[in-house]
Amino acid sequence: GQSLEQPSEVTAVEGAIVQINCTYQTSGFYGLSWYQQHDGGAPTFLSYNALDGLEETGRFSSFLSRSDSYGYLLLQELQMKDSASYFCGSGQAGTALIFGKGTTLSVSS
Amino acid sequence: NAGVTQTPKFQVLKTGQSMTLQCAQDMNHNSMYWYRQDPGMGLRLIYYSASEGTTDKGEVPNGYNVSRLNKREFSLRLESAAPSQTSVYFCASSESGLNSPLHFGNGTRLTVT
Repeated sequence: GQSLEQPSEVTAVEGAIVQINCTYQTSGFYGLSWYQQHDGGAPTFLSYNALDGLEETGRFSSFLSRSDSYGYLLLQELQMKDSASYFCGSGQAGTALIFGKGTTLSVSS
Repeated sequence: NAGVTQTPKFQVLKTGQSMTLQCAQDMNHNSMYWYRQDPGMGLRLIYYSASEGTTDKGEVPNGYNVSRLNKREFSLRLESAAPSQTSVYFCASSESGLNSPLHFGNGTRLTVT
């Protein structure tokens, strides 16, 4: 089976750094993905980690530790537009992506 | 470039009615997916099609059927709608495999009364 756990809510202020954690239990684990969703709209892809370590894309970074079954999404220099829901997802090879329940990030000024 | 197109955008059904949600992608992707999203439950996989001609059950397949009509189109059918199927339904596509990003449609908001 598969399961992914992430916090339901995170709050932060503009300009701050926030980390959204994701722990998973997936047999035949095949990497960890992150998606962003604004106000119930279409989710959009942020990052994918196949191997341990940090992947950086602009203000966003994603980290994976396969030995700890743990990853996180790091958002730096937070902006109001970063207020959204963030989902981690993983799957077994040959199957499809399963998501956690999502983390709602609220950024205040 | 439209990406992933879902129709309809909104639908209200009475319990027991049937309907088909349509999804088409123009990115020549091999894999297509149907997810449902309910408050506090995240995105749950209903069915997926890894390639044209194949379909597989996801986490919550009961009450649904799918058809991969061709490489572009993947439809989701509710044979006898129930209030528990009130949800937002998202279709997605990807080139193939779990390392390929999913591209989502804008969703269909379905209410079953």
